[in-house]
Amino acid sequence: DAGVIQSPRHEVTEMGQEVTLRCKPISGHNSLFWYRQTMMRGLELLIYFNNNVPIDDSGMPEDRFSAKMPNASFSTLKIQPSEPRDSAVYFCASSHGGKVVAWGYTFGSGTRLTVV
Amino acid sequence: QQQVKQSPQSLIVQKGGIPIINCAYENTAFDYFPWYQQFPGKGPALLIAIRPDVSEKKEGRFTISFNKSAKQFSLHIMDSQPGDSATYFCAASIGGATNKLIFGTGTLLAVQP
Repeated sequence: DAGVIQSPRHEVTEMGQEVTLRCKPISGHNSLFWYRQTMMRGLELLIYFNNNVPIDDSGMPEDRFSAKMPNASFSTLKIQPSEPRDSAVYFCASSHGGKVVAWGYTFGSGTRLTVV
Repeated sequence: QQQVKQSPQSLIVQKGGIPIINCAYENTAFDYFPWYQQFPGKGPALLIAIRPDVSEKKEGRFTISFNKSAKQFSLHIMDSQPGDSATYFCAASIGGATNKLIFGTGTLLAVQP
């Protein structure tokens, strides 16, 4: 398996532009998570899905952020309009959804977003 | 109540030393406690995990010690190597990896040759 695939790896955009981050989870994983990592705030959960259904979006900072999971193999995180304070590394992770201790999240390599 | 407090923020040890990273939580409903390791430019990777019915778990050179009454858990790295230099995160959740993980703030470990 290729693991969790995120694209793009790097994104530089101007303030006010729309940004779309993409994630392909591991096949067979039924939970998907979007995290944001910054030096100041660490790893913050933005939203997560179980079986393609959003379960908890309380971490989404504001209405400028939206996430979708139209099917089991694809999810997007959209920021519109983007602001400099959105600059961070955005991680997507997926998990099998069971309660076996050895199973955990598998993270993608992240998208480094810079808003100038 | 949803926080996981992690210390120290950074740690420097000599090769062969035993770094110890500590975490504390308040929510007694947490029932899954993993540790993640992150190298620069990479996503965090699961290292080892424990449930509260076990006081210790060892996988290779990595050991989790869990104190349910104190609501604390820690990671020990035996015979640490320069290749262990990374950022380590503790985390907690209710119901395992199906649900959201609350992460600690991370510990940057440097193992000197």
